[in-house]
Amino acid sequence: VLTQSPGTLSLSPGERATLSCRASQSVSSSSLAWYQQKPGLAPRLLVYDASSRATGIPDRFSGSGSGTDFTLTISRLEPEDFAVYYCQQYGSSPLTFGGGTKVKIK
Amino acid sequence: EVQLLESGGGLVQPGGSLRLSCTASGFRFSDYALTWVRQAPGKGLEWVSSISGSGGGTYYADSVKGRFTISRDNSKNTLYVQMNSLRAEDTALYYCAKAYTSRSFGGFDPWGQGTLVTVSS
Repeated sequence: VLTQSPGTLSLSPGERATLSCRASQSVSSSSLAWYQQKPGLAPRLLVYDASSRATGIPDRFSGSGSGTDFTLTISRLEPEDFAVYYCQQYGSSPLTFGGGTKVKIK
Repeated sequence: EVQLLESGGGLVQPGGSLRLSCTASGFRFSDYALTWVRQAPGKGLEWVSSISGSGGGTYYADSVKGRFTISRDNSKNTLYVQMNSLRAEDTALYYCAKAYTSRSFGGFDPWGQGTLVTVSS
């Protein structure tokens, strides 16, 4: 089970966002990804293998962590970053998603 | 450009069956694992099933095990999921997604646009 916190984060553009994802057991080989989803659109991969940015993802997005605790950090929020973020582990079956964190404009 | 296009969704009665397809282009199809993910209206993402590049390895969420069957035809660059004994709780937008790297099952990128499955009488 992946538990994301907080459920909602209210921040202003330019602020730093820190999103947490905690696994109930150790994630094999740091096989953890982060996705961004905006209303009406498919999710977009931001980070894979816990800390590697996907192609085309701005460097204000960074992933860190290992074992059971992982973090997605957005260094300075841009207007287009307000969305829902999901973590997902793919180290073992079942591949599971967290419940999501909504980042909303304060 | 890598593209995935789902089809086959629709309205089906409880207990009925449906087969979804996902046609891919822009990459060496057989090199990559593929996955079905669903999203119920207003809810989060739920992993459904994954299949290895060769098709020899298949994995299912407990919620669909025994009812859904994932498969692929590497000669047609197409991914499938056969869904039987459908329930109201299977109602969702179903996405197919490609593994980002050829060496693992995830992360998923890109995703298709999704196909809507509605189970209702």
